[in-house]
Order: sequence, then C-alpha cells, then structure tokens
Amino acid sequence: GAGVSQSPSNKVTEKGKDVELRCDPISGHTALYWYRQSLGQGLEFLIYFQGNSAPDKSGLPSDRFSAERTGGSVSTLTIQRTQQEDSAVYLCASSPGRHTEAFFGQGTRLTVV
Amino acid sequence: AQSVTQLDSQVPVFEEAPVELRCNYSSSVSVYLFWYVQYPNQGLQLLLKYLSGSTLVKSINGFEAEFNKSQTSFHLRKPSVHISDTAEYFCAVRTNQAGTALIFGKGTTLSVSS
Repeated sequence: GAGVSQSPSNKVTEKGKDVELRCDPISGHTALYWYRQSLGQGLEFLIYFQGNSAPDKSGLPSDRFSAERTGGSVSTLTIQRTQQEDSAVYLCASSPGRHTEAFFGQGTRLTVV
Repeated sequence: AQSVTQLDSQVPVFEEAPVELRCNYSSSVSVYLFWYVQYPNQGLQLLLKYLSGSTLVKSINGFEAEFNKSQTSFHLRKPSVHISDTAEYFCAVRTNQAGTALIFGKGTTLSVSS
C-alpha cells in the first residue's frame, strides 16, 4: 500500500481481555517499530524488528505485551489481560533501513474500560 | 543506549515571533537525528533530518535545525512562526549501529497565538 496501515483504528475492550493490534508496513521496508503514545509521555518505544535479526524487545513494559512479525511484513502487537493503564494510542512505523526516517501509521486508539 | 531530552514540554509564542525548541541527546556513538511534527488530530510526519554532511538542515516550511556534536544538541528553530505551526514536535535519535531503534523525546507542544 501507499503507507503504513494499522487496524483497528479504535478498540474498546474490557479490563482483563486480550487484544491484538495489526500493522501493515510499507512494502519493502525492512524495519518495523511499535510505539505507545499517551498524554505527557511522548512516544514510548516498545519493540523494533529489523529484517531477520532478533527483535529489540527492550521497550516492552511487561510480559503481558508481545509482538511478532510474520514473513518480514505484517506485525501483530498482542496485549494480554489488559489493564486501564494500557489505554493509549499504539503507533506502528516502518523504515527502509537504518539510514532513513521512519514512516508512521495513523495508530490504534486503545481504551480499556 | 541512546536517549533524547526535550527540555520544554510547552512553548507558547505569539505569531511572527521566533521560536526555538530544544533537543539534547545522549549516545556513545555517531547518531542520526530527526524532528517529527504532529498537527492536531493528525499522524506523525517527518519535519527534517540530519544524517551526515552539513550540520544545518532545513524544512520546506521554514524550520531549521543544527546538529551540534560538542553540545550533543539538535535544536529546532524558526525565525517567524504562524498560527498553523501549532503542533506537537518530537525529536528523535538513532545510532549508526545496526539493530538500534529510533528513540523519541517526550515532545514539545508549540502553541502559536495571535
């Protein structure tokens, strides 16, 4: 596609439920990032995939968070047993390489009630 | 690991005034630096970037930033702001090492009023 696509755009879930957020990066981009944006916290780095290398998971806030990237393309961020503090906008970005900028999707707004 | 500090969370200015949004980074190796902008209710978009070469980089809408290695800074400036520049601005850094992520600061909200 022309840009990074994220789905759903909005998700409301009950506390304790699991959620899956999807990201379709720009075709051919080898790097993929997940960030969390909440008020006053800026963009919090979650996880980074680069080609076939092991992902950098250093930003995941707890073991309830996980992500995978299948076939070097589509990525899914999974949050298990959601908590109210997980409410935020989850942003995905992709990049053709480390020497260039990242291109962002419109995000998924997650609300845990 | 690299990190970014944006020293001002909010910067209110009047239209046509100059503005500087400050960004400092920390890294033990060479870096690439970026400024992103997020207009109200819109997604993040790249404003300008420093990869190598000239330390002064410019955007198409009048912003500029200068890479200062000795001060580990990449401040964003505009000599005369417009109402339409009201947005949140994020500084970001990544190292030139393979496998390192793009790390963002907490953002600066620029509010331009008439």
